[in-house]
Amino acid sequence: AQKVTQAQTEISVVEKEDVTLDCVYETRDTTYYLFWYKQPPSGELVFLIRRNSFDEQNEISGRYSWNFQKSTSSFNFTITASQVVDSAVYFCALSGMEYGNKLVFGAGTILRVKS
Amino acid sequence: DVKVTQSSRYLVKRTGEKVFLECVQDMDHENMFWYRQDPGLGLRLIYFSYDVKMKEKGDIPEGYSVSREKKERFSLILESASTNQTSMYLCASSLIREDNSPLHFGNGTRLTVT
Repeated sequence: AQKVTQAQTEISVVEKEDVTLDCVYETRDTTYYLFWYKQPPSGELVFLIRRNSFDEQNEISGRYSWNFQKSTSSFNFTITASQVVDSAVYFCALSGMEYGNKLVFGAGTILRVKS
Repeated sequence: DVKVTQSSRYLVKRTGEKVFLECVQDMDHENMFWYRQDPGLGLRLIYFSYDVKMKEKGDIPEGYSVSREKKERFSLILESASTNQTSMYLCASSLIREDNSPLHFGNGTRLTVT
């Protein structure tokens, strides 16, 4: 069965610190997609990134970077030089044929960035 | 830019009431979804629809039903609200069924059943 585990329930950092959000997944599919979403206090989930299982290149977008490692079934998300506006709930999610291409979400990690 | 609009931000209903949560998307997406979000549980899929008048059960459909009479509108119905249905409800849409495209979410409806 498909499963996404975000072991960190809540993380608190001080502004300008780097922070890594962990995501571990399970699937029997060989082709699958991994996602990260951000949910700020306004409530709307915002799409951040999608990776397919054949693309293990790490990706960087500004202060955000993602480390995809199939060997450890992990898709971790790092925020460099965190800012107060990064405070949000972050969800990792997985989709694949095993679950009809529907998203399976992790429980989410609450990130609090203090000034 | 895709816009998914949920009709209410906050709702307070009494036990036993019939509750309608409305969701409209403006980008001609085929797929629409209703999720429920609870602390520590992430998002759980209630129902989804790949086309007008089509609906499929998600992981937790009990106590809920849905309606999709028009492509842009997907309604979630609580036939007889109960206190354990107090939660945040999120509607989402995506382009087509098979492409694993990202979901676009509404702002959510925080429902309290007393």
